[in-house]
Amino acid sequence: DIVMTQSPDSLAVSLGERATINCKSSQSVLYNSNNKNYLAWYQQKPGQPPKLLIYWASTRESGVPDRFSGSGSGTEFTLTISSLQAEDVAVYYCQQYYTTPRTFGQGTKVEIK
Amino acid sequence: QVQLVQSGAEVKKPGASVKISCKASGYTFTTNYMHWVRQAPGQGLEWMAIINPSDGSASYAQKFQGRVTMTSDTSTSTVYMEVSSLTSEDTAVYYCANGPGGQWQDHWGQGTLVTVSS
Repeated sequence: DIVMTQSPDSLAVSLGERATINCKSSQSVLYNSNNKNYLAWYQQKPGQPPKLLIYWASTRESGVPDRFSGSGSGTEFTLTISSLQAEDVAVYYCQQYYTTPRTFGQGTKVEIK
Repeated sequence: QVQLVQSGAEVKKPGASVKISCKASGYTFTTNYMHWVRQAPGQGLEWMAIINPSDGSASYAQKFQGRVTMTSDTSTSTVYMEVSSLTSEDTAVYYCANGPGGQWQDHWGQGTLVTVSS
């Protein structure tokens, strides 16, 4: 199985400041034949199901604010919230869909400082 | 619009089985794979299995092999997941979710809480 490891486990950021979450996979999730990274990011608020934010490591889902961006390739990825808003308080997960099982990272909790 | 509506909460005793349903609407049922993901209280997301509703073929995380069965009913656009030999460690919210090509999950059910307690 591919192990997904996120860092940090939690972070507190002031409103309007940048939040950065890292995700590392135990093996590459870059599929060479199409040069795509099989990596998604989700946001989960308390009592709600997860919400897809980004797929193909950097493609924003329709309706997701452009303050959310994804980057990285191979085994190292980053989710950036460029200017944290109060409604961004949540737990964020990365997930690889390169192979089954489609493993998730352990989650990163984002709070307001 | 795509909707995934799951069955209601369940309380089961250790050793029992539970079968959860997920009824899909708003799209052609056979075109999108369906995943099951669970979340224990206060814990992260755990991917369990995926099914191709068009032919019923399923793939399971090794942890759940032999104890979890996913099925699909194209006549009612419903996917089912049965978990057997329940223990307290199976207490969790179970989500169905789908997305294009069985890759990411862009639509999620509301979740079904399964509580295993004697």
